[in-house]
Amino acid sequence: EADIYQTPRYLVIGTGKKITLECSQTMGHDKMYWYQQDPGMELHLIHYSYGVNSTEKGDLSSESTVSRIRTEHFPLTLESARPSHTSQYLCASSGSGGSSYNEQFFGPGTRLTVL
Amino acid sequence: ILNVEQSPQSLHVQEGDSTNFTCSFPSSNFYALHWYRWETAKSPEALFVMTLNGDEKKKGRISATLNTKEGYSYLYIKGSQPEDSATYLCAFKGGTGNQFYFGTGTSLTVIP
Repeated sequence: EADIYQTPRYLVIGTGKKITLECSQTMGHDKMYWYQQDPGMELHLIHYSYGVNSTEKGDLSSESTVSRIRTEHFPLTLESARPSHTSQYLCASSGSGGSSYNEQFFGPGTRLTVL
Repeated sequence: ILNVEQSPQSLHVQEGDSTNFTCSFPSSNFYALHWYRWETAKSPEALFVMTLNGDEKKKGRISATLNTKEGYSYLYIKGSQPEDSATYLCAFKGGTGNQFYFGTGTSLTVIP
């Protein structure tokens, strides 16, 4: 079983609040990812990191920001939550191991509802 | 954003039936294709990593094939069991850029 954790699992919050979704992995993976999934839709990449102090935006535009100060930790922050941010957020990681297309290990997700 | 399509969207089969579903992706500039299984209330788990045209991978009763020239991959389940009920996702990566593009998944329900 993969060792990647997300907290909280569920969050209901009011508009305008600042929130941070936590993601940690204990596998020493250098690559980490944040995906957003709306019901019935694909997983869309919103942020990724290939190592400490390296972050990039995915194709899907997002108002969230991320940081990668430690290898194992990749938090996602929304400065001012809005109802349009209501979605499921999945964190994933993958190792290098001589290949740039290794399988990704996913966390259990955070289901965010903004009222 | 690249277009990755999976069909059918959902499928109900009887226990013991064999089934298959499709992932279609751009046929040019292929790099890798992943298959994941996502059970309700759990995290997606990798089934197969496929990189070469003609690849065939097998894990127990589940197998997958890859045709990069025509842009599709098939996932087969032989003798479906209720525990196979899940959503099956494919994810495509092209030769440029750094990200995988996911399909919407095929939701499989195996009826005992």
